[in-house]
Amino acid sequence: EVQLVESGGGLVQPGGSLRLPCAASGFTFSSYAMSWVRQAPGKGLEWVSAISSRGSGGNTYYADSVKGRFTISRDNSKNTLYLQMNSLRAEDTAIYYCARDQGAYTSSWYKDYWGQGTLVTVSS
Amino acid sequence: EIVLTQSPATLSLSPGERATLSCRASQSVSSYLAWYQQKPGQAPRLLIYDVSNRATGIPARFSGSGSGTDFTLTISSLEPEDFAVYYCQQRSDWPLTFGPGTKVDIK
Repeated sequence: EVQLVESGGGLVQPGGSLRLPCAASGFTFSSYAMSWVRQAPGKGLEWVSAISSRGSGGNTYYADSVKGRFTISRDNSKNTLYLQMNSLRAEDTAIYYCARDQGAYTSSWYKDYWGQGTLVTVSS
Repeated sequence: EIVLTQSPATLSLSPGERATLSCRASQSVSSYLAWYQQKPGQAPRLLIYDVSNRATGIPARFSGSGSGTDFTLTISSLEPEDFAVYYCQQRSDWPLTFGPGTKVDIK
């Protein structure tokens, strides 16, 4: 069974940093592209960042709203995806979902499995 | 950035009725469009990918159509569990973008 479990959320002050891990199980993690998608309270979905599979070079992609502040990475030996978030702003407040991209080896960039999400609140 | 617009914002229907949801792209996304369903307190679920392909385990009452800039998600006969918010997403170009969503609620 595919499982994605995010953690690391919490309350952080503006300008602060947070690192979100997403533990993956039930599939060959290194073979899949992965993404982070966020959802502000009561709002819609916003794609944040993606990383391709190891075989596709581990390329990274970012939304303009987080480029230069957030870094996506993966540790295939630990089956874990990360999102390092720096210089946090109030508008980064959201539930952050980790999601697997559909299709092993070739990234479809559609998300077929999602975690339950972790809430990040940026406030003083 | 490709902007996706969804209409209507809210669709009020009764169980058994047909639901037709629209997603329009600001420029062509070819056939690279997906639909997701999200229920309150839950993560989204992939329904349809590449316009018309149902994801694993998705019932046949869900279907997608369209190409280029105009797309439709149809639920042929609403079941009680189908009342939710539906989002479209394009993968034609970076950044990936989602539409603002259509809420299907019970009339």
